[in-house]
Amino acid sequence: EPEVTQTPSHQVTQMGQEVILRCVPISNHLYFYWYRQILGQKVEFLVSFYNNEISEKSEIFDDQFSVERPDGSNFTLKIRSTKLEDSAMYFCASLGTGPLSGANVLTFGAGSRLTVL
Amino acid sequence: GENVEQHPSTLSVQEGDSAVIKCTYSDSASNYFPWYKQELGKRPQLIIDIRSNVGEKKDQRIAVTLNKTAKHFSLHITETQPEDSAVYFCAASLNQAGTALIFGKGTTLSVSS
Repeated sequence: EPEVTQTPSHQVTQMGQEVILRCVPISNHLYFYWYRQILGQKVEFLVSFYNNEISEKSEIFDDQFSVERPDGSNFTLKIRSTKLEDSAMYFCASLGTGPLSGANVLTFGAGSRLTVL
Repeated sequence: GENVEQHPSTLSVQEGDSAVIKCTYSDSASNYFPWYKQELGKRPQLIIDIRSNVGEKKDQRIAVTLNKTAKHFSLHITETQPEDSAVYFCAASLNQAGTALIFGKGTTLSVSS
């Protein structure tokens, strides 16, 4: 079964440092997403991306965040200057038609745990 | 924008009992309502979904009901088993590629044997 893969699985960084989280979406998917989950809390939408541009973003996705699809396979999330409150699990997801209902089904990667010290 | 409320936040049942988790949504334009199960330390995984042209859908021991008028939908798990223990998230969105899934806060289901 096709998977969304994410690297690194865990990153520890100092406050103020830049972080890049990487994702390889499912190959025939066209829509890509980043979500984050602070420990013990709900999954929160950050941004969606299609055709090399942001299609939707949340209030969380401020100027410190950026996304990029640098080549045909990778989709990256950059946090320019990390803050303590950026510590969370970051999930990449991609969208494709799934078997359950014919609706577009969001498939999540395993996540990248970011710890900001 | 869309806001999804989910209740209860925790639910403990005995093995074999039924479990019901309820969600409400705010945007009447939303028409796609998936449920995700997240086991400890793992990614959310889709378990069932429903579109707004359907009032109920069932898949073995799980079912989802949707009341568009009241803007609420529910997950029903029958004959619960210990492996059903997880966090369950409801979500809502437009069934349209590129739009965000907005999640509820999650329900931690514990099934004791």
